[in-house]
Amino acid sequence: DAGITQSPRHKVTETGTPVTLRCHQTENHRYMYWYRQDPGHGLRLIHYSYGVKDTDKGEVSDGYSVSRSKTEDFLLTLESATSSQTSVYFCAISLSGGKDGELFFGEGSRLTVL
Amino acid sequence: GENVEQHPSTLSVQEGDSAVIKCTYSDSASNYFPWYKQELGKRPQLIIDIRSNVGEKKDQRIAVTLNKTAKHFSLHITETQPEDSAVYFCAAPGTASKLTFGTGTRLQVTL
Repeated sequence: DAGITQSPRHKVTETGTPVTLRCHQTENHRYMYWYRQDPGHGLRLIHYSYGVKDTDKGEVSDGYSVSRSKTEDFLLTLESATSSQTSVYFCAISLSGGKDGELFFGEGSRLTVL
Repeated sequence: GENVEQHPSTLSVQEGDSAVIKCTYSDSASNYFPWYKQELGKRPQLIIDIRSNVGEKKDQRIAVTLNKTAKHFSLHITETQPEDSAVYFCAAPGTASKLTFGTGTRLQVTL
């Protein structure tokens, strides 16, 4: 089983505060992704990374930034959280090294912005 | 970018019946079509996938069919069981190194 850990798993914060979610993998996979899941919208890509310091935007990137300084860690930051960013956030790794292979998801991080 | 539409959004079937979920995609460059299952409170997990050089793929009670000309693919579940109750997502990659997901289908299998 691919080793992928998200932290924190649950967080409640207030509007305007910064939040960082961490995704940690143990198997040296090159591609990592951050998705958010909301009712009626499915899974929407926020940002993804194809290597250390190599990142690109997804379809809902506004209000989010990412960093990948090490292969194993992919951080998602909300600079100033808003209520619209209340969601479940999933990190995923590509087991095949690209777009046409299995994504393995973390267990998710539930964020509530009050 | 890729646009994926999924129907229906909810589906209720009786145990033992078949279920079919359909997806359409927009980018003719897409060549990989996975299906994910997400049980309540859990992470999405890959259940089956198909590549564009194949028209159909089966794995026990589940199958996926692909029509590249019409740009649609479908998930078929036969002899449904209560443990098939979940949300199912289709996806397609387009040209970039990322998957675009459909909005999901909540399948409920009733006894």
